[in-house]
Amino acid sequence: QSALTQPPSASGSPGQSVTISCTGTSSDVGSYNSVAWYQQHPGKAPKLMIYEVTKRPSGVPDRFSGSKSGNTASLTVSGLQAEDEADYYCSSYAGSNNLVFGGGTKLTVL
Amino acid sequence: QVQLQQSGPGLVKPSQTLSLTCAISGDSVSSNSMAWNWIRQSPSRGLEWLGRTYYRSKWFNDYAPSVKSRITVNPDTSKNQFSLQLNSVTPEDTAVYYCARGLMASGINYWGQGTLVTVSS
Repeated sequence: QSALTQPPSASGSPGQSVTISCTGTSSDVGSYNSVAWYQQHPGKAPKLMIYEVTKRPSGVPDRFSGSKSGNTASLTVSGLQAEDEADYYCSSYAGSNNLVFGGGTKLTVL
Repeated sequence: QVQLQQSGPGLVKPSQTLSLTCAISGDSVSSNSMAWNWIRQSPSRGLEWLGRTYYRSKWFNDYAPSVKSRITVNPDTSKNQFSLQLNSVTPEDTAVYYCARGLMASGINYWGQGTLVTVSS
């Protein structure tokens, strides 16, 4: 069982927006601005999409955005495109030099 | 451009040691600003951070509590690579293992290609 809780699935039509949640505790998500989001296509390694809650690495479209409130972080994908269909994982620093991940959310573009 | 190239066996017998190596190009294992991680992924456990090594005037290691008694991550500065050793493996250690570059605070931004390691007799 993963340390952070994500919904198993999410979906949206092309052009729509979808938000994926990532719920932790006051010991991880709630205590640190060290939440990251990863996109993973089948058979590929994860790709960093968001780091430090809201920041986008170079090359990541601004359709991807992150936020956090209390113990829950969120990833929003706006203007859904077919290539956004993938699995998405969150991670958070959990103190004591430990990193935890969410169980993943399968995003389907209808 | 940073590239990470993994190598190692894909099949390990129960109770034996899993050993993988990650060769780095485009960066240095001795970087004072980066860390070098091992992460695994399985259907039952999802993504799981295992451990890391990093250099800040001296070498440091951190390990996940779940594997702390069985894991060693070592740098090899002569070959610019780092390695994973996981002892006393069981079938529950069957997973795709990734080496990766990044910091816990700012995300893992480069990943190796992944190695499927099956623990079976």
